[in-house]
Amino acid sequence: SAVISQKPSRDICQRGTSLTIQCQVDSQVTMMFWYRQQPGQSLTLIATANQGSEATYESGFVIDKFPISRPNLTFSTLTVSNMSPEDSSIYLCSVEGAGGTQYFGPGTRLLVL
Amino acid sequence: GQQLNQSPQSMFIQEGEDVSMNCTSSSIFNTWLWYKQDPGEGPVLLIALYKAGELTSNGRLTAQFGITRKDSFLNISASIPSDVGIYFCAGQPFSGNTPLVFGKGTRLSVIA
Repeated sequence: SAVISQKPSRDICQRGTSLTIQCQVDSQVTMMFWYRQQPGQSLTLIATANQGSEATYESGFVIDKFPISRPNLTFSTLTVSNMSPEDSSIYLCSVEGAGGTQYFGPGTRLLVL
Repeated sequence: GQQLNQSPQSMFIQEGEDVSMNCTSSSIFNTWLWYKQDPGEGPVLLIALYKAGELTSNGRLTAQFGITRKDSFLNISASIPSDVGIYFCAGQPFSGNTPLVFGKGTRLSVIA
């Protein structure tokens, strides 16, 4: 399985600001995913990020709010833009493993005041 | 979109008891995955299932891929305090690069 790290691990931000979350993998992977997990809830896919192409966003998520970069096969960033308290969540990146499995990073805990 | 119905939502059990949770769907899935999430951590993959009828164990954990391809269960035998956490099922509707669908999770509490 891949070893995945995320930065920052947690942050407290003021509304109207933006936060960029980094995801680093210890091996080259084709597909990376960004999820949101609201308090006490399950995981909701924000977007799929393939290296060399535009990210594919799920219904309800737009690039202006959650711009994603995927500059190489081991790294991706997710920016949460113009934050509001409703954006307070855990943001998780994951990578695809063999056989359709996914391996998750430790998450970034975001609180927006 | 496709949904997974996971039950129960939460469980309180005595240490040493066995636990069973399941996921069902109205759609066919090619892969079933079971994850555990500890507080403050990301989900960790426990078991992956790829074939209808497949029964797979990982220590005290056993999971099965339903014959109809529309359900899966996870059993934990002889529970211990460190089993506490949230267990998620996830399914892949199609082979290849298709996003996983997640259940809502089962919150397990173990009383020593």
